Amino acid sequence: DIQMTQSPSSLSASVGDRVTITCRASQTITNYLNWYQQKPGKAPKLLIYSASTLQSGVPSRFSGSGSGTDFILTISSLQPEDFATYYCQQGYSTPCSFGQGTKVEIK
Amino acid sequence: EVQLLESGGVLVQPGGSLRISCATSGFTFSSYAMNWVRQAPGKGLESVSAISGTGANTYYADSVKGRFTISRDNSKHTLYLQMNGLRAEDTAIYYCAKVSGSYYIHNSLDHWGQGTLVTVSS
Repeated sequence: DIQMTQSPSSLSASVGDRVTITCRASQTITNYLNWYQQKPGKAPKLLIYSASTLQSGVPSRFSGSGSGTDFILTISSLQPEDFATYYCQQGYSTPCSFGQGTKVEIK
Repeated sequence: EVQLLESGGVLVQPGGSLRISCATSGFTFSSYAMNWVRQAPGKGLESVSAISGTGANTYYADSVKGRFTISRDNSKHTLYLQMNGLRAEDTAIYYCAKVSGSYYIHNSLDHWGQGTLVTVSS
């Protein structure tokens, strides 16, 4: 099974900050990497698929990069509505495992 | 507009059985794979089962294999998860998620329901 490891597990940031979250796969997943945002009490929401493609309706301050085993989610200028938990997920092979999540909190 | 609405989550005793459902609308149901993802209280996300658009292929996490059965009724646009031999560790919110393609790998989960809570306790 492919293991997905996110770092950091949590971070504190201020509105306007640039935020980066890293996701590492235990073996190559080419570009089959998705990012989700989950707010408390809500279902996850797809932000980015295929490592770098922005889902329709997602603000352009979100971007994704990487291939192979190492991936990055970047929020260029953090907004109040972006405080949430972010998960990466590999879609390369079953089980389509998720990372453990990164909680973005207000500093 | 794509809509997914789960139902059937309740309190059940250990060893019991339960079937949860996901009614869908707003897309051609039979053309897309579907996934059940669960989230235990305060924990992360786990894909527990998936099914291809035709229903011919299924996936189960090791944690539920042999106890859970996923199915779909394409005429009713509805996804199901039959859960037998329930354990305390199955307690979670169960989300129904639409896959972005007809097969459950090499794709993403592009729409999610609001979830249904399954609690396993005596």
